[in-house]
Amino acid sequence: KAGVTQTPRYLIKTRGQQVTLSCSPISGHRSVSWYQQTPGQGLQFLFEYFSETQRNKGNFPGRFSGRQFSNSRSEMNVSTLELGDSALYLCASSLFIGLSYEQYFGPGTRLTVT
Amino acid sequence: AQSVTQLDSHVSVSEGTPVLLRCNYSSSYSPSLFWYVQHPNKGLQLLLKYTSAATLVKGINGFEAEFKKSETSFHLTKPSAHMSDAAEYFCVVSDREDSSASKIIFGSGTRLSIRP
Repeated sequence: KAGVTQTPRYLIKTRGQQVTLSCSPISGHRSVSWYQQTPGQGLQFLFEYFSETQRNKGNFPGRFSGRQFSNSRSEMNVSTLELGDSALYLCASSLFIGLSYEQYFGPGTRLTVT
Repeated sequence: AQSVTQLDSHVSVSEGTPVLLRCNYSSSYSPSLFWYVQHPNKGLQLLLKYTSAATLVKGINGFEAEFKKSETSFHLTKPSAHMSDAAEYFCVVSDREDSSASKIIFGSGTRLSIRP
């Protein structure tokens, strides 16, 4: 099976712009989660989508949004970019096994805001 | 409320010696626990997971972890370190608070360095 794919892998934007990142989960996985990883804050949960519905949300401002399509592909959008949004954005697709998750991560999108 | 604490931000061992990466957790429910590894500029890879079956869990690349409920610990070990083990390691706890969603918390990570 193909793994989780994220596009683009690298992105450079300027402050005030907006950006859209894409994630294609593993075939058959219906849950997609997004994380932000920075040296200072570590890995922080952004949100989770399941069957096109946002099911879980972290503590990020409303500038961060996402959606999931009927084929389980997901996008996240960041509007009015700030320097502090520079980070590695990781997407994970999840498979339920019993009562637990098993998450599989993509390689990430490295966003640099200048 | 759940939380996870990785007790060491950086661990350095010599090649061929044992590795111990420590993780303590707190959880209101029966947790699932995971260890992930992240090599530089790469995504996270699942090493192993505990989901209330056997308390000693074996993972990939010779790693294993033991769930100790009395100590609320889930330490990661490997008998003999290899240079390729140098990476960042994350301990993760997942609770199911209701039937609709799980809450997933990542530890702050432990950077493992291997000395030749």
